[in-house]
Amino acid sequence: SQQGEEDPQALSIQEGENATMNCSYKTSINNLQWYRQNSGRGLVHLILIRSNEREKHSGRLRVTLDTSKKSSSLLITASRAADTASYFCAMGFSGNTGKLIFGQGTTLQVKP
Amino acid sequence: DGGITQSPKYLFRKEGQNVTLSCEQNLNHDAMYWYRQDPGQGLRLIYYSQIVNDFQKGDIAEGYSVSREKKESFPLTVTSAQKNPTAFYLCASSIDSAGANVLTFGAGSRLTVL
Repeated sequence: SQQGEEDPQALSIQEGENATMNCSYKTSINNLQWYRQNSGRGLVHLILIRSNEREKHSGRLRVTLDTSKKSSSLLITASRAADTASYFCAMGFSGNTGKLIFGQGTTLQVKP
Repeated sequence: DGGITQSPKYLFRKEGQNVTLSCEQNLNHDAMYWYRQDPGQGLRLIYYSQIVNDFQKGDIAEGYSVSREKKESFPLTVTSAQKNPTAFYLCASSIDSAGANVLTFGAGSRLTVL
């Protein structure tokens, strides 16, 4: 299966702390994306990192990619209660159809 | 506002019935996708379409069918052949951006089989 694996499956932190989520995958990728899902809703795109990039930032989000280890991490700094959601990594592949393969997600709870 | 509209939001079905989930987008995106999400799990691809009148099976296409007669619309039919259809169904669309596709999702349709 090309599906990614994420850890931890669940994470609970206090407001103001940092949250780190990890994603590992099995085959070579063209890009890796992170999405957020609030309970019972659709997913929202957060950030994309290409295979020739090592790190990207967007506001309080920092994403790293290590293609040699086939892994990525998402760091949310100074977390807020509103960050409570599930976070999914998604792998995009070269020369294909644009379809993404999703990981199983990390559920983040930020306590006020 | 541009976006993706899925309907209905909630749907109940008796065993043996076919149901059709609607997905409409006004983003002018070429590609559209259907994913299935089970509780506490990630998304699995059912079908996708890169262009009108063409579509391909994803990883779990058995028991489902789709059509793409218009660019804006990509309905999904859950047939009676799908043995475990209770799930959350997500439709998405995308446009190619320098070799990467970022998906825009609808709000989802929750199907429950009674």
